Amino acid sequence: DVKVTQSSRYLVKRTGEKVFLECVQDMDHENMFWYRQDPGLGLRLIYFSYDVKMKEKGDIPEGYSVSREKKERFSLILESASTNQTSMYLCASSFEGPTGTNEKLFFGSGTQLSVL
Amino acid sequence: GENVEQHPSTLSVQEGDSAVIKCTYSDSASNYFPWYKQELGKRPQLIIDIRSNVGEKKDQRIAVTLNKTAKHFSLHITETQPEDSAVYFCAASIDSGAGSYQLTFGKGTKLSVIP
Repeated sequence: DVKVTQSSRYLVKRTGEKVFLECVQDMDHENMFWYRQDPGLGLRLIYFSYDVKMKEKGDIPEGYSVSREKKERFSLILESASTNQTSMYLCASSFEGPTGTNEKLFFGSGTQLSVL
Repeated sequence: GENVEQHPSTLSVQEGDSAVIKCTYSDSASNYFPWYKQELGKRPQLIIDIRSNVGEKKDQRIAVTLNKTAKHFSLHITETQPEDSAVYFCAASIDSGAGSYQLTFGKGTKLSVIP
């Protein structure tokens, strides 16, 4: 069974702090994603990565950066946290289909981040 | 970029009735359409997906239909049960085979099945 593990379930930080959200998957998936989930706004893609050291901006990358030094780990970084970054953050992973097609996303349990 | 509209935002049905959730998309190049279910306090999970080379796909009580001309797709749940209560998200993506993995999600539909 695929496991996508996010390091924290709940996190409280102060405005201006640097925040690291960690995500690890155990299925050797090529693709990893960071979404944020807000009530009434659905899931919005922040960044994704399709290979080690590769990253691509999603729909809302402003205020975030990412790091993928190892295949199994994808980190989301808030350089200077702000109150509008209070949200549920979901990590996901997927393997690449045989012809590079989209395949099923496996989500982590999420990190509820509160920035005070 | 792609824009996905999902309706309704909330839906209440009696147990045993059918539920239908509709989504429209803007980019005619989109060709992969998954549906995710998120129960309260849990992670989203894929329940069914469809690619644009088919018009309908069924899995027991769940079916998805796709109308490429009108750029809309729908989730149909028959004989609803209380455990179907959840938030459902549709999504669309260009499945180009060239490493394009950016799914755009709808805003979600909260389905409540009343016993």
